[in-house]
Amino acid sequence: DTAVSQTPKYLVTQMGNDKSIKCEQNLGHDTMYWYKQDSKKFLKIMFSYNNKELIINETVPNRFSPKSPDKAHLNLHINSLELGDSAVYFCASSPLPQGGSEQYFGPGTRLTVT
Amino acid sequence: EDQVTQSPEALRLQEGESSSLNCSYTVSGLRGLFWYRQDPGKGPEFLFTLYSAGEEKEKERLKATLTKKESFLHITAPKPEDSATYLCAVQDRDSSYKLIFGSGTRLLVRP
Repeated sequence: DTAVSQTPKYLVTQMGNDKSIKCEQNLGHDTMYWYKQDSKKFLKIMFSYNNKELIINETVPNRFSPKSPDKAHLNLHINSLELGDSAVYFCASSPLPQGGSEQYFGPGTRLTVT
Repeated sequence: EDQVTQSPEALRLQEGESSSLNCSYTVSGLRGLFWYRQDPGKGPEFLFTLYSAGEEKEKERLKATLTKKESFLHITAPKPEDSATYLCAVQDRDSSYKLIFGSGTRLLVRP
């Protein structure tokens, strides 16, 4: 039983293309997140949605746009991909809308921009 | 600004050799401190949440402790399967949805 799933696992694309990463959780959680893990392994929050409402929008280029069709799904669309976008992107979810609850992570999507 | 620093960056142990990983943090008000384990090519796996100084949590060979400025992850008699990167993260009361992560400690346990 996969709790938080992401597709695709690997994504190789050229500069300037537009791509999407999908995330789904079957834990019944209300809050979902996107994180970026760079080559130095730092995990940094990008976005968070609580019950389809955007609650965190860190300093991320406008080329990144999250979309939450329902509270079990949070997709990430990236326009005009750049070399610096290469990283591993993790989706996560948590059970409580307020803080203090642990977050559960998906397996990650390794994005390589050439 | 919230900050998390983990040390050492990498740690090599012999099987059975106990040790500790450190996580120093700076937050305006701590809502929670979290420990995660990350295996290569996988997402972080939740281990512990600590909420207040003096709190301790245990799971198998792992024990996490918390003070007002740092947390320790003690590994007792480690086994090769404990090899992974251990990540520490904090949640600030003022930005309670965000986890601020440290860069992790890469642990290698040799048989």
